[in-house]
Amino acid sequence: GAGVSQSPRYKVAKRGQDVALRCDPISGHVSLFWYQQALGQGPEFLTYFQNEAQLDKSGLPSDRFFAERPEGSVSTLKIQRTQQEDSAVYLCASSLLAGRDNEQFFGPGTRLTVL
Amino acid sequence: ELKVEQNPLFLSMQEGKNYTIYCNYSTTSDRLYWYRQDPGKSLESLFVLLSNGAVKQEGRLMASLDTKARLSTLHITAAVHDLSATYFCAVTLAGNNRKLIWGLGTSLAVNP
Repeated sequence: GAGVSQSPRYKVAKRGQDVALRCDPISGHVSLFWYQQALGQGPEFLTYFQNEAQLDKSGLPSDRFFAERPEGSVSTLKIQRTQQEDSAVYLCASSLLAGRDNEQFFGPGTRLTVL
Repeated sequence: ELKVEQNPLFLSMQEGKNYTIYCNYSTTSDRLYWYRQDPGKSLESLFVLLSNGAVKQEGRLMASLDTKARLSTLHITAAVHDLSATYFCAVTLAGNNRKLIWGLGTSLAVNP
């Protein structure tokens, strides 16, 4: 596709449920990022992949959050035992490489609401 | 710890007027980005500024970077309603060009 796609666009979960959010980066992009954006806030970095390697997961808020990119393309962010404070928009971005410009192209996001 | 501050956080302006949004950051950074976000939409890249004194312009928007002052500005010239959006600046840590650290955003409303 022409851009980064994410699915689902909206997800409502009951507290305690597990959720899986998918990101399809731009074809050929090596780097993939996940961000969390709470209402009225700027995005907060969660994790970064270069190909299939997760090189930085320092932003994951707890061990309930897990991300993978097994074949270096599609990525999944999984949240186990969701809590109300997990409600946010989860943004995925990709870039050709973590190079000089490192321009990150963002997907439309998944809005997660935990009841 | 790298922190990014934007001001103002909210800006209401009339069409045709000029205004500047400011972005300060706390430690040495490799590069600075400006993004635009429309309500309910994702983030659109506007500018990437890589070096001290860098200036980039696109239409009615002009961005500049002063690395010594750790300050970037986004100047709006003769605002039009279509510029209404939230504008974010983001920086990367020196030596770590992957993780973007974001400001809170400036919500801009341009009124007729």
